[in-house]
Amino acid sequence: GDSVTQMEGPVTLSEEAFLTINCTYTATGYPSLFWYVQYPGEGLQLLLKATKADDKGSNKGFEATYRKETTSFHLEKGSVQVSDSAVYFCALSDEKLTFGTGTRLTIIP
Amino acid sequence: ETGVTQSPTHLIKTRGQQVTLRCSSQSGHNTVSWYQQALGQGPQFIFQYYREEENGRGNFPPRFSGLQFPNYSSELNVNALELDDSALYLCASSLGAREQYFGPGTRLTVT
Repeated sequence: GDSVTQMEGPVTLSEEAFLTINCTYTATGYPSLFWYVQYPGEGLQLLLKATKADDKGSNKGFEATYRKETTSFHLEKGSVQVSDSAVYFCALSDEKLTFGTGTRLTIIP
Repeated sequence: ETGVTQSPTHLIKTRGQQVTLRCSSQSGHNTVSWYQQALGQGPQFIFQYYREEENGRGNFPPRFSGLQFPNYSSELNVNALELDDSALYLCASSLGAREQYFGPGTRLTVT
């Protein structure tokens, strides 16, 4: 079945550092790929998405590129802020969403 | 435009009891999906409803059941609660197979 493998956390970075959170997937078809963010005590918010190979999703300075050849969708941001501290989930969709286990990100001033 | 809402926010139940969780979908959405998120884990798909019919189910036992109403709101019912059912239950709405928008969740504690 479909699965998502996500970089283990927690990840702690200093403000303005470069962020990469790795995500790889296994799927039989051609799923859409997503990154969701979860702030403490809240539900999930869609951060960005890509629907086909070589698409780049971007939002709020975050980017991820759908790489079919490496089955990856790594999340990147050039300069993180304290407000980016949250749990990040990579997910794929074949009508239902299949999530990774999440990566907790903490940004220190 | 009203987003996805869920009720209640928190509840505590005893093992063996039954619980009903509610979800109101975002305006214009006709599909509701339910997920269980155990502490420190990613959400796991329970089932999806499209136009009042179940449209896919994850690896959850039959004591997890649901309904979707004509206004596309939805209920998740869990019978014979077990300690392992303690989790955050998330509802997401969408227009068909398009991207899903999540509610804030219901935190269920089973003692």
